[in-house]
Amino acid sequence: NAGVTQTPKFRVLKTGQSMTLLCAQDMNHEYMYWYRQDPGMGLRLIHYSVGEGTTAKGEVPDGYNVSRLKKQNFLLGLESAAPSQTSVYFCASRSGLGAQHFGDGTRLSIL
Amino acid sequence: QQPVQSPQAVILREGEDAVINCSSSKALYSVHWYRQKHGEAPVFLMILLKGGEQKGHDKISASFNEKKQQSSLYLTASQLSYSGTYFCGTDKASSGDKLTFGTGTRLAVRP
Repeated sequence: NAGVTQTPKFRVLKTGQSMTLLCAQDMNHEYMYWYRQDPGMGLRLIHYSVGEGTTAKGEVPDGYNVSRLKKQNFLLGLESAAPSQTSVYFCASRSGLGAQHFGDGTRLSIL
Repeated sequence: QQPVQSPQAVILREGEDAVINCSSSKALYSVHWYRQKHGEAPVFLMILLKGGEQKGHDKISASFNEKKQQSSLYLTASQLSYSGTYFCGTDKASSGDKLTFGTGTRLAVRP
């Protein structure tokens, strides 16, 4: 039972580089989410999707883009990484009852 | 706007009780509770819906006061495994598309 899988688990980037974080879920959930977690800030929603082909902005969307081409995958892109985007990124999917299931996270450092 | 959690941190001895509060300035439809152990992903505990009853899960239970826009998480006879950071997530709409998380309450249970 994989649940929600995030790749990669760790990454170091230089300022200005781009990258894509991949989230895959095998629970057939419609809703998927990308959060960032910084010390003392809790979980802040970046973007989310209510179904295949849809995306919407969360609280802190600037500097990020997302795509949901397939129901099971939700991609988070950083076009031009900045040091302020150093964080732990969590992906989650939501069951019909509302419980969110989280991946193990991606630790991203931008130098 | 993030819900406010209190206390920010609490230290318990094994077997002691604790209460964690979550308050919002806006009307709420539901409150979700999650626990996150250090270095791990958040894990779902329970959901409380507007008009619903107090929920329970082993020795962890919660209540939701819609009029006060508050929820409380009750940990009874705490165990070492209860240690972690507890987050509440609030939802203003019945659609339940997205949650706004509080900044968390760090709980440490000592032997």
